[in-house]
Amino acid sequence: QVQLVQSGAEVKKPGASVKVSCKTSGYTFTTYGITWVRQAPGQGLEWLGWISGSSGYTNYAQMVQGRVTMTTDTSTTTAYLELKSLRSDDSAVYYCARLGGVVGGFDYWGQGTLVTVSS
Amino acid sequence: SYDLTQPPSVSVSPGQTARITCSGDRLPKQNAYWYQQRPGQAPVLVIYKDSKRPSGIPERFSGSSSGTTVTLTISGVQAEDEADYYCQSADSSATYVFGPGTKVTVL
Repeated sequence: QVQLVQSGAEVKKPGASVKVSCKTSGYTFTTYGITWVRQAPGQGLEWLGWISGSSGYTNYAQMVQGRVTMTTDTSTTTAYLELKSLRSDDSAVYYCARLGGVVGGFDYWGQGTLVTVSS
Repeated sequence: SYDLTQPPSVSVSPGQTARITCSGDRLPKQNAYWYQQRPGQAPVLVIYKDSKRPSGIPERFSGSSSGTTVTLTISGVQAEDEADYYCQSADSSATYVFGPGTKVTVL
């Protein structure tokens, strides 16, 4: 079965960086993309960007452009999200999800990773 | 940026029908998707490409599209359907956007 398992919670200071991993299994990694979405406490879903599982092509949301890097490791079928120059308003649950295929939407999701930015 | 509009909340009695709308200028040309999110859980895809239902999603969930508005309909609402629902679409450059979400309350 398709699974996306994310790394554990992180606490970071303002200005620091965080790297969240998303280990996938149960499907051919290079056939789909991975997208990242975050949700601040009590707020809605916010799309951050996506990365192709085959080519590594990325498309980032304008609001995090310049601070975000999405990568993949096809040998371990793992995707990564790195966010730099963290601010307090980056505190959120970060989700990875599978993108593409016949469905075309975000059909399988990770469990989420809580990132807290606090001095 | 491209915006999607949803009502903040919808209330419905058990067994009745809930309808949640999502409006956006590009919806006539782009597919819409709907996600259910229960408190403390990751979102779940309930409708894709405007009106298709993924395997495992109950038949009471359906989607439709008309012009710049798409609608998620939950027929015969059950207590377990109480959740936040988000529509999602894309612009022409594979940039994705979510609506602000609609809280469905089962009375």
